[in-house]
Amino acid sequence: DMKVTQMPRYLIKRMGENVLLECGQDMSHETMYWYRQDPGLGLQLIYISYDVDSNSEGDIPKGYRVSRKKREHFSLILDSAKTNQTSVYFCASSPRDRANTEVFFGKGTRLTVV
Amino acid sequence: KTQVEQSPQSLVVRQGENCVLQCNYSVTPDNHLRWFKQDTGKGLVSLTVLVDQKDKTSNGRYSATLDKDAKHSTLHITATLLDDTATYICVVGDRGSALGRLHFGAGTQLIVIP
Repeated sequence: DMKVTQMPRYLIKRMGENVLLECGQDMSHETMYWYRQDPGLGLQLIYISYDVDSNSEGDIPKGYRVSRKKREHFSLILDSAKTNQTSVYFCASSPRDRANTEVFFGKGTRLTVV
Repeated sequence: KTQVEQSPQSLVVRQGENCVLQCNYSVTPDNHLRWFKQDTGKGLVSLTVLVDQKDKTSNGRYSATLDKDAKHSTLHITATLLDDTATYICVVGDRGSALGRLHFGAGTQLIVIP
């Protein structure tokens, strides 16, 4: 069953707290992504991971870091969350050489920072 | 600068009617274009992917066209159902592999009424 799973689905944090968003996939895809989606905007790439410990910044990496210690698992970390990081966060995965034909998204994590 | 523009922003149709969603882009190179459906509060589900210079695809009641010369794509939904209510997102990939980037439109919100 091809699936990208995100946990938690909903999260409320206070400003300054640390946040951990988790993502797993069961397809052995080399590449995984973290995006955020804000109203009226297209999804914006935060980080991309090409495989274990091979991570690159996306278009809006400031305030975020990632960890990929296993191919099936990709974490997004917010150290000292800010209110402007309130958003819906999506994880995705794709095979390295077939990103044009296969990309799968999780259901998203709605993060509210108060 | 937004490289993928979708129109209309929102659209209301009656169940059974047909509708057409537009996507114009300036992404270069344009390796492929994909249409996603996003139900409220859910993740993105791929409807179709177009690859060729002038391409057409069909997936049930969904059909799509791509003209890379015009940098333009359309998504046609035939005989709409209430379950078609969702946001439809156009995404342009600048490479076929994960080394490329995906460029997202902000989406067209389709509402199907009885």
